[in-house]
Amino acid sequence: GALVYQYPRRTICKSGTSMRMECQAVGFQATSVAWYRQSPQKTFELIALSTVNSAIKYEQNFTQEKFPISHPNLSFSSMTVLNAYLEDRGLYLCGARDLWGYEQYFGPGTRLTVL
Amino acid sequence: GDSVTQKQGQVTLSEDDFLFINCTYSTTTYPTLLWYVQYLGQGPQLLLKVTTANNKGISRGFEATYDKGTTSFHLQKASVQESDSAVYFCALVGNNNNAPRFGAGTKLSVKP
Repeated sequence: GALVYQYPRRTICKSGTSMRMECQAVGFQATSVAWYRQSPQKTFELIALSTVNSAIKYEQNFTQEKFPISHPNLSFSSMTVLNAYLEDRGLYLCGARDLWGYEQYFGPGTRLTVL
Repeated sequence: GDSVTQKQGQVTLSEDDFLFINCTYSTTTYPTLLWYVQYLGQGPQLLLKVTTANNKGISRGFEATYDKGTTSFHLQKASVQESDSAVYFCALVGNNNNAPRFGAGTKLSVKP
């Protein structure tokens, strides 16, 4: 079956530092990877959509300078939260799908706490 | 752009009660409407999809339909069980195959 793993599951960083999180797809080719953030009391906000061999598309209010994403192959993606502050805390989800699929398979998320 | 509104933040029911959760959407494309379920400590899982207005999606006793005229779609179940307690999200994918846009989520608590 199709599975998505995310590492780490929980992390704490000091305000102003950076945190890298990873996403691994197993059992299918992750042609497209979407990164979301769920802030406290909010829904899943789309940060960016990465498609292999295409430019990464960031949503309004999210930038490459703040959330650089790497998607080097069909099974792996990573995202870094640079210069993290309190408003960056939340659950970061990775959702991946293959070229022809509509279903996004989600990992369990990386929960980021900023002190 | 595409957006979804889901106003019911929390629903509390007893076992065997009827469940109905409603969302509205806005899009310029021909959308696929989705329902995801998120259990504690896990990522969201796809529960149902509906690709055509007035058609019904069915899975695990849940049904979903969408009404193009009122740009609304809903999730229902005739008889909920305690194991259905989770957070339910409606979502929309445009026909340009972008990533799903999520509603705010409805936390369902089912009492035994």
